[in-house]
Amino acid sequence: QSVLTQPPSVSAAPGQKVTISCSGSSSNIGNNYVSWYQQLPGTAPKLLIYDNNKRPSGIPDRFSGSKSGTSATLGITGLQTGDEADYYCGTWDSSLSAGGVFGTGTKVTVL
Amino acid sequence: EVQLVESGGGLVKPGGSLRLSCAASGFTFSSYSMNWVRQAPGKGLEWVSSISSSSSYIYYADSVKGRFTISRDNAKNSLYLQMNSLRAEDTAVYYCARKGGGASAFDIWGQGTMVTVSS
Repeated sequence: QSVLTQPPSVSAAPGQKVTISCSGSSSNIGNNYVSWYQQLPGTAPKLLIYDNNKRPSGIPDRFSGSKSGTSATLGITGLQTGDEADYYCGTWDSSLSAGGVFGTGTKVTVL
Repeated sequence: EVQLVESGGGLVKPGGSLRLSCAASGFTFSSYSMNWVRQAPGKGLEWVSSISSSSSYIYYADSVKGRFTISRDNAKNSLYLQMNSLRAEDTAVYYCARKGGGASAFDIWGQGTMVTVSS
């Protein structure tokens, strides 16, 4: 299975905005919904965005998702110290080796 | 409360076997596809395996195909991962995750169980 490509790290000051890109291919992002996960240090991942741009109950609207072609983007506005975490995109890959696939992960640092 | 609790992790020698379990509660387990996802120390998430609600559809990552077997018992609200021929590179925290909240999203995760493969 392939891996989705994310930048290793992004950073910004409190209150600012960051965006995290997730690049894939036609067999995964291009033809399937994308989800995003937040992993705080020492904890299990938590679903932030599903179906490209929907937020589960309890997730603030500071978090947003979008998809275009074979890429997806997570946006975080009004950055808070509690947002400092690792973020992963994920989707299904419909190639011959069908299965789930995650991004390489992005560390968000609040300066 | 919707919850997934993994168990069965531990230290095993290369070539050995281990069986992980995931106990589900707070939701209708038999209605959901379930997955195993792992994370090697200091590394990212790696999807391992998926099983549909009635066990009709099963998928594996190429890295574990032929060595790992996913199964479930809907009567016991439990998910399993039988891991054989373990290698050092299988060392990771193993999470069970429910497929829900969207077309291909994992909306509920367990706390994880650590598997260490070392001589």
